[in-house]
Amino acid sequence: GESVGLHLPTLSVQEGDNSIINCAYSNSASDYFIWYKQESGKGPQFIIDIRSNMDKRQGQRVTVLLNKTVKHLSLQIAATQPGDSAVYFCAENLNSGGYQKVTFGTGTKLQVIP
Amino acid sequence: DGGITQSPKYLFRKEGQNVTLSCEQNLNHDAMYWYRQDPGQGLRLIYYSQIVNDFQKGDIAEGYSVSREKKESFPLTVTSAQKNPTAFYLCASSIDRYGRANEQFFGPGTRLTVL
Repeated sequence: GESVGLHLPTLSVQEGDNSIINCAYSNSASDYFIWYKQESGKGPQFIIDIRSNMDKRQGQRVTVLLNKTVKHLSLQIAATQPGDSAVYFCAENLNSGGYQKVTFGTGTKLQVIP
Repeated sequence: DGGITQSPKYLFRKEGQNVTLSCEQNLNHDAMYWYRQDPGQGLRLIYYSQIVNDFQKGDIAEGYSVSREKKESFPLTVTSAQKNPTAFYLCASSIDRYGRANEQFFGPGTRLTVL
């Protein structure tokens, strides 16, 4: 079946460094991708999204890159802070017969070392 | 404040009992979703609803039931038929029913423990 996966389950970075979290997706027909941040015991929060007609999108301290050729998605966090410590999920959306089917990856835990 | 709420935050249930988890949103979103999250894992879709009085099974619907009588509310019942119900349950909503996809907004979650 189709799947969304992550290369690294845990990522440790020094405070102030940049973080890069990667995600591989399987369905080349997926048209919309989202990154979520989930802190312990809480619901996921939207970080940034990108549609399939783009290859880069920037937010505040975050950038998402989409490489459709190799079906790869990445989240870059600039100047990582302790408050960035959380689990990060990528999700892909497929328009299936008018319904939006979203598949979530298993998540990457980001640990920021002070 | 607009948002999506879930109650209760923690829920304990005896084996063999049904229990209903509440999900309410005042975002005027058409679509609502229920996910299950187990420790160290991603989100798995239980049920979703694109419109009032209509809902569809997700990937792991067995042992669960839902209703969508109002746009704002999408309660989930965990029945005694669910073999392993202990988990973190997340409700979400999104703005559109058909057409262009948008991000899902999540509630704070309900942690269900079966004793």
